[in-house]
Amino acid sequence: EDKVVQSPLSLVVHEGDTVTLNCSYEVTNFRSLLWYKQEKKAPTFLFMLTSSGIEKKSGRLSSILDKKELFSILNITATQTGDSAIYLCAVAKGTNAGKSTFGDGTTLTVKP
Amino acid sequence: DTGVSQDPRHKITKRGQNVTFRCDPISEHNRLYWYRQTLGQGPEFLTYFQNEAQLEKSRLLSDRFSAERPKGSFSTLEIQRTEQGDSAMYLCASGGGQLNTEAFFGQGTRLTVV
Repeated sequence: EDKVVQSPLSLVVHEGDTVTLNCSYEVTNFRSLLWYKQEKKAPTFLFMLTSSGIEKKSGRLSSILDKKELFSILNITATQTGDSAIYLCAVAKGTNAGKSTFGDGTTLTVKP
Repeated sequence: DTGVSQDPRHKITKRGQNVTFRCDPISEHNRLYWYRQTLGQGPEFLTYFQNEAQLEKSRLLSDRFSAERPKGSFSTLEIQRTEQGDSAMYLCASGGGQLNTEAFFGQGTRLTVV
């Protein structure tokens, strides 16, 4: 059975801190790993990773994939209160990136 | 707003009633997905449409659930004889022509069965 496991389940930090969120997976026919941010409503797409070792970056967020060790990390530097959300990791199999197996998310709370 | 639109945003129904949700995808997207999300868990895949064809259905989609996309544009998800266990957020997502690109989610319909 496919599994996507995220850690930690929750995290509380103060503004300005740097956080690292983890995602490990066991799936057959892996094609890509996706990160989403969910703030009480729609998951918002952040990154799609398909190749090992290539960092994707968007502002203060970055992510990297290790296909050998079957995990990915999402880093957020200089956190802000607006970063408070659930961060979801998902793995797509085959060629259909929209059909994904999701982890249960990491709830990040950034305190002022 | 040119994103994925779902209606209604909230629905409260009595056990045993039928409910129907609507999803309007991003206009040029031909892929459409339905997911279900319960509190504290990630979204779970329910079904997938390519244009009007329903190509995949999860084992989670029991006989009481049916989804349609009659003209390859909007989609409906119907739940018959609702049960308390059906209470969840139902998310719709759409994607562009290339299968290996990400999907974009709507804001969901939160169903509460009482």
